[in-house]
Amino acid sequence: EAGVAQSPRYKIIEKRQSVAFWCNPISGHATLYWYQQILGQGPKLLIQFQNNGVVDDSQLPKDRFSAERLKGVDSTLKIQPAKLEDSAVYLCASGIQGYTEAFFGQGTRLTVV
Amino acid sequence: DAKTTQPNSMESNEEEPVHLPCNHSTISGTDYIHWYRQLPSQGPEYVIHGLTSNVNNRMASLAIAEDRKSSTLILHRATLRDAAVYYCILPSGTYKYIFGTGTRLKVLA
Repeated sequence: EAGVAQSPRYKIIEKRQSVAFWCNPISGHATLYWYQQILGQGPKLLIQFQNNGVVDDSQLPKDRFSAERLKGVDSTLKIQPAKLEDSAVYLCASGIQGYTEAFFGQGTRLTVV
Repeated sequence: DAKTTQPNSMESNEEEPVHLPCNHSTISGTDYIHWYRQLPSQGPEYVIHGLTSNVNNRMASLAIAEDRKSSTLILHRATLRDAAVYYCILPSGTYKYIFGTGTRLKVLA
């Protein structure tokens, strides 16, 4: 079974530039999550989708971050404009509805200089 | 969301059992207890979950206290590949996984 795919794996941008990350969840998984993980910390949930609807985006900095999940499958997370403090690993995860496991991708490491 | 408390770090010798504790005194009757681990430079991976009874799988065992206010993840024989950060999580009713800082397990050869 293919896992959660994320791209790119690494990205370096200058502050004030924009950047986008892509996630392809496991086929059939209705729930999709985006997390931000700053070095030395646990992952922080940014947004949770159920199919193509938003379940929770309370921790998403909406002045600069946006996310969409078209047709309830792939998802993109965008940052515009980026700040130095956005340097982190951005993780995508997916799951089947219910109290079962969430599957994580390897993440995209973003460095803002 | 119910909160969990874990030690920041633990050490174990290779091939010895490891008991990783988690306190969740505000757990509700319907909260499942999930454990994930994160190997270096990897995304988190599911380890085990349970509700009331102790659970076993090929990776680990989960021992849940009778009052459900604490649980212990048991690695029966730690290997160097088990060195990771272990997270104890109580997902909310909307299956929201909130990670704390976890326990960093160091396995000594």
